[in-house]
Amino acid sequence: DAGVIQSPRHEVTEMGQEVTLRCKPISGHDYLFWYRQTMMRGLELLIYFNNNVPIDDSGMPEDRFSAKMPNASFSTLKIQPSEPRDSAVYFCASSLGGFFLSYTFGSGTRLTVV
Amino acid sequence: GDSVTQMEGPVTLSEEAFLTINCTYTATGYPSLFWYVQYPGEGLQLLLKATKADDKGSNKGFEATYRKETTSFHLEKGSVQVSDSAVYFCALSDLTGNNRKLIWGLGTSLAVNP
Repeated sequence: DAGVIQSPRHEVTEMGQEVTLRCKPISGHDYLFWYRQTMMRGLELLIYFNNNVPIDDSGMPEDRFSAKMPNASFSTLKIQPSEPRDSAVYFCASSLGGFFLSYTFGSGTRLTVV
Repeated sequence: GDSVTQMEGPVTLSEEAFLTINCTYTATGYPSLFWYVQYPGEGLQLLLKATKADDKGSNKGFEATYRKETTSFHLEKGSVQVSDSAVYFCALSDLTGNNRKLIWGLGTSLAVNP
């Protein structure tokens, strides 16, 4: 298995632009998690899905952030409009049954908003 | 709510030195505890886990014991190598309701010099 695949690896965009981050979970995993990592706040859970349905989006910072999971093999995290304070590394993770032992992270997308 | 506190880094050691990274937690119920490692430019990987009091997790020479009486899960390694240079995260499982969240510490950066 190729693991959790995120794209792009790096994204540089101008303030006000729309940004879309993509994630392909491990085949068969039914939970998908989006995290944001910054030096100041550490690792923050933004939202997670079970069987493509959002379960908890309490970590989504503002309405500028939205996430979708149209099918079991694909999810997107969109920021519109982007702001410099959104600069961070965004990770996607997936797991089977929500069991933590199967929790697998992607390599992340480093977003820079200038 | 549940929380995890890790010692602040960075930690700098010489090769073959003894490593301890402290982690304490507050939680309701009986969470599982985890250590994850993040190598430069990569996502987080599970290093070891413990699911109940007095359990000892171990992997790659690292160990941690689930101490309920002191609410701690300190990471130790007897002899570190340059290749252990990474950021280490302590985490606990949030089991309230149907949650499938992990609660994360802020991470401790370790640099091992030859």
